[in-house]
Amino acid sequence: AQKVTQAQTEISVVEKEDVTLDCVYETRDTTYYLFWYKQPPSGELVFLIRRNSFDEQNEISGRYSWNFQKSTSSFNFTITASQVVDSAVYFCALSEIRIIGSARQLTFGSGTQLTVLP
Amino acid sequence: GAVVSQHPSRVICKSGTSVKIECRSLDFQATTMFWYRQFPKQSLMLMATSNEGSKATYEQGVEKDKFLINHASLTLSTLTVTSAHPEDSSFYICSARANTGTASNEKLFFGSGTQLSVL
Repeated sequence: AQKVTQAQTEISVVEKEDVTLDCVYETRDTTYYLFWYKQPPSGELVFLIRRNSFDEQNEISGRYSWNFQKSTSSFNFTITASQVVDSAVYFCALSEIRIIGSARQLTFGSGTQLTVLP
Repeated sequence: GAVVSQHPSRVICKSGTSVKIECRSLDFQATTMFWYRQFPKQSLMLMATSNEGSKATYEQGVEKDKFLINHASLTLSTLTVTSAHPEDSSFYICSARANTGTASNEKLFFGSGTQLSVL
C-alpha cells in the first residue's frame, strides 16, 4: 500500500523567509511518480511538479526547489523568499507507474497549510 | 495547456435532493477520470475511478448507489449525489488523465472543484 505523510499541518512564516515543506512516502513499487500540488483558498489544485523515482536530481524553478532523497523516501519542497501569494495548502502525492492504459491513482498526503504573513 | 472544466463550482441543496456534478476535459480525450472528496482542512480522498464506457471502480467505503458515476463519453464524467444529506456536504474535485501515448508523458489535470452544501 502507498502512503504519503506530511507531518507539518500548519506553517506560518513572515514574508521573504524561506520555508521547507516536508513529504515522506511509502511504496512497494520500485518506480513511481511524486507530485506537489498547491491548493489556494479558491479550492482548485495547481500542479507544481512531477518527479520520476529514477531521477534524483534536485530541481529548481524560480523560487521553488525540490529535494528528492530516495534513500530516505523524502521529497521536500522549499520556497525561497516567500510571498503572501504563496499562502495555500500544499499537497504531496504519489502515483505508481503502470503500463499504458491502466488506471492510475494519486495518493495524497494530508496537506500543509502555509501562511505567509506580510 | 489541457483544461478540465468542473460545474457547478458551488451548489446548495435541500436534504433528500440529488445533485449532479459535471467534469469535462475541454481539449483532450480522457478515458479515465477520478473523483475525489475533500473535507475541510483534510486531504483529498479518492472516491472512484471512472472509465469511459464501463462501470466505475469505487474505493472501499464509498457507496456506489449513493454516488453515481457516469462516463458516457471521452470528455465527460458526471458524479450524482443521490438523496443528499448534510453529511454529504463536502468539496468534490475531479481529475482527468490525458493520454499522450507514453506513460512518461501522461498527466493528470484537475477540475476547479465543487463545494456541495446540503441543508
